[in-house]
Amino acid sequence: LAKTTQPISMDSYEGQEVNITCSHNNIATNDYITWYQQFPSQGPRFIIQGYKTKVTNEVASLFIPADRKSSTLSLPRVSLSDTAVYYCLVGDYKLSFGAGTTVTVRA
Amino acid sequence: EADIYQTPRYLVIGTGKKITLECSQTMGHDKMYWYQQDPGMELHLIHYSYGVNSTEKGDLSSESTVSRIRTEHFPLTLESARPSHTSQYLCASSVGRGPGGYTFGSGTRLTVV
Repeated sequence: LAKTTQPISMDSYEGQEVNITCSHNNIATNDYITWYQQFPSQGPRFIIQGYKTKVTNEVASLFIPADRKSSTLSLPRVSLSDTAVYYCLVGDYKLSFGAGTTVTVRA
Repeated sequence: EADIYQTPRYLVIGTGKKITLECSQTMGHDKMYWYQQDPGMELHLIHYSYGVNSTEKGDLSSESTVSRIRTEHFPLTLESARPSHTSQYLCASSVGRGPGGYTFGSGTRLTVV
C-alpha cells in the first residue's frame, strides 16, 4: 500500500485559499488519490478524488502532476467551518488514514 | 442522507458486559470496514470484509469480533467489555477497486466504566 506524507497542521484565515500538499512517491499505476475531511466526533467525509491532472468540484480542487508522486488539495476561500482534519489517501481498500493535516481557520 | 448507519450513537456500559455495535449500509457495497479512533488520534483499521462470509483482522489488534452474514450488515461484538475498549468505533463501506472512495457512518462512541 502506498504511504502518504502530509503536513501535521496548517493555519489560515477566513477568505484565504488553503493548499495542502501530499507526497506519495510509491503510488501504483492504478491507484486513485482521495481526500477526506473529518470533524470532531464524526466519521471522515469524502471530499474529492482524482487520478491525474486537475479535478474540481463544488468544494475543492485537486491538482496532480504528471508523475503522480504528489497531489495538492486546494480549498478556496475557507471559512471557520472548514476547520477540520484532512486526510490524503492512495489506493482503494484497506486504507490507512494516518494523522492527516489539521487545518485551523481563524476569523 | 447517510447511506451507512451505525447504532447506537453513544453507549455507556459496565465492565464485563457483552456488546454489539451495529452497522448497516444500503449501497450494496461489497467491502466494509471497522476503524477505531481515540479523540484527536489516528483512525486504525481493526476489521474488514471483502464480502459475505469474508472477514479479516486489520492493522490494529482488537479483542472484538465481526461477522458478515449479509452484504448490508457488518456488526462488531465485544464479548466482555473493558475500560481499555473505550473509544470511537467507525464503520465504513466502499465499492472496492477503482474510483468511489469510502462512505463512513457517524460512529459509535463507547465508554466502558
